[in-house]
Amino acid sequence: DAGITQSPRHKVTETGTPVTLRCHQTENHRYMYWYRQDPGHGLRLIHYSYGVKDTDKGEVSDGYSVSRSKTEDFLLTLESATSSQTSVYFCAISPGPENIQYFGAGTRLSVL
Amino acid sequence: AQSVTQLGSHVSVSEGALVLLRCNYSSSVPPYLFWYVQYPNQGLQLLLKYTTGATLVKGINGFEAEFKKSETSFHLTKPSAHMSDAAEYFCAVSETGTASKLTFGTGTRLQVTL
Repeated sequence: DAGITQSPRHKVTETGTPVTLRCHQTENHRYMYWYRQDPGHGLRLIHYSYGVKDTDKGEVSDGYSVSRSKTEDFLLTLESATSSQTSVYFCAISPGPENIQYFGAGTRLSVL
Repeated sequence: AQSVTQLGSHVSVSEGALVLLRCNYSSSVPPYLFWYVQYPNQGLQLLLKYTTGATLVKGINGFEAEFKKSETSFHLTKPSAHMSDAAEYFCAVSETGTASKLTFGTGTRLQVTL
């Protein structure tokens, strides 16, 4: 998975609790992305980062925040998890040219 | 705005048969086009990409795709399916230019039968 580690790989949590997912890369790529994957929707972009402390919203950003204090780490936070946020979350990284993105193995999150 | 349409959420072929997975895109500017494959409980792996140059692109595992601008299509083919090809396949589009966002189709699950 191209030097990308997502943690945790699986998480079960309760509605209303905060959750943080971590994406760690060893490739020193500038661009990092968070997606969620749901049946019938493919992958949808939540947030992305184009450098340390530089982030922007994707198409499904409501209820999510991100932070990137170091090149190698991109954190996704659900401030107050809801059942609609039950999903598989993927991190991706890109060096930039040609927009090729490389994906992590995913985090399966269940919000009960 | 960009969009991707993958016709057929499920495709079933016999082992040894031709694989054809359809992808049509919408983009206001010349696009970059990608096919990714996802095996169960794994992340997405790049199969092939079109950025510039030759419109017929070859990827890993014997797959290829042809960019047809006039048809706004980027269909994925493989002459002879193998059991190991069973997976979900995603077509994606981005605008040209560094780090433009990818827009994914909803995916096609390929089943290969004996």
